[in-house]
Amino acid sequence: QVQLVQSGAEVKKPGASVKVSCKASGYIFPSYGLHWLRQAPGQRLEWLGWINNGNGFTKLSQKFQDRVTFTRDTSATTAFLELTGLTSEDSAVYFCARAYYGLGTYYFDYWGQGTLVAVSS
Amino acid sequence: DIQMTQSPSSLPASIGDRVTITCRASQSISRYLNWYQHKPGKAPKLLIFAASSVQSGVPSRFTGSGSGTDFTLTINSLQPEDFATYYCQQSSTSPPTFGQGTKVEI
Repeated sequence: QVQLVQSGAEVKKPGASVKVSCKASGYIFPSYGLHWLRQAPGQRLEWLGWINNGNGFTKLSQKFQDRVTFTRDTSATTAFLELTGLTSEDSAVYFCARAYYGLGTYYFDYWGQGTLVAVSS
Repeated sequence: DIQMTQSPSSLPASIGDRVTITCRASQSISRYLNWYQHKPGKAPKLLIFAASSVQSGVPSRFTGSGSGTDFTLTINSLQPEDFATYYCQQSSTSPPTFGQGTKVEI
């Protein structure tokens, strides 16, 4: 069965960086893109961008273009999100989600369990 | 970015109730609207895609409808496992955007 398993919670100081992993199993990893999203307390889900696990192409939300990097290790079927220059506003639960393309559109058919990132001095 | 507005934000309900959640887009998104269920500490779960297509494995009591700017998610005969937060999400244009969520609670 398809599973996305994310790395554990992180506590970081302002200005630091964090790297979150998303281990995929149960499907052909390069065949699906992985999107990254986050949800801060009391806020709605926010899209950070996505990575094509086949060719490594990435697209980032304009808001995060200078602070976010997506990478993947195809041999380990794992995708990574790195966020630099952390501030308290980056405190959130971060999710990876697989995108399925069909009926002329796409949707997030499988999600990771979420990784809590807390930024505090 | 397209703004998605859900109502209500909170929905008190009882087992066996029929509940309806609405989602409105700030501009037409055709039928590019998806619904998710989220329980605390768990991975969100896709319920409905393309406005009305039920994801495999999702109980038939979940139905979706709508097109353009107005959409609804209906849960017929609410079950104990349905108490959760529900989100709509548009996939018409990038970036994908979500509603603020509707918490279905006892």
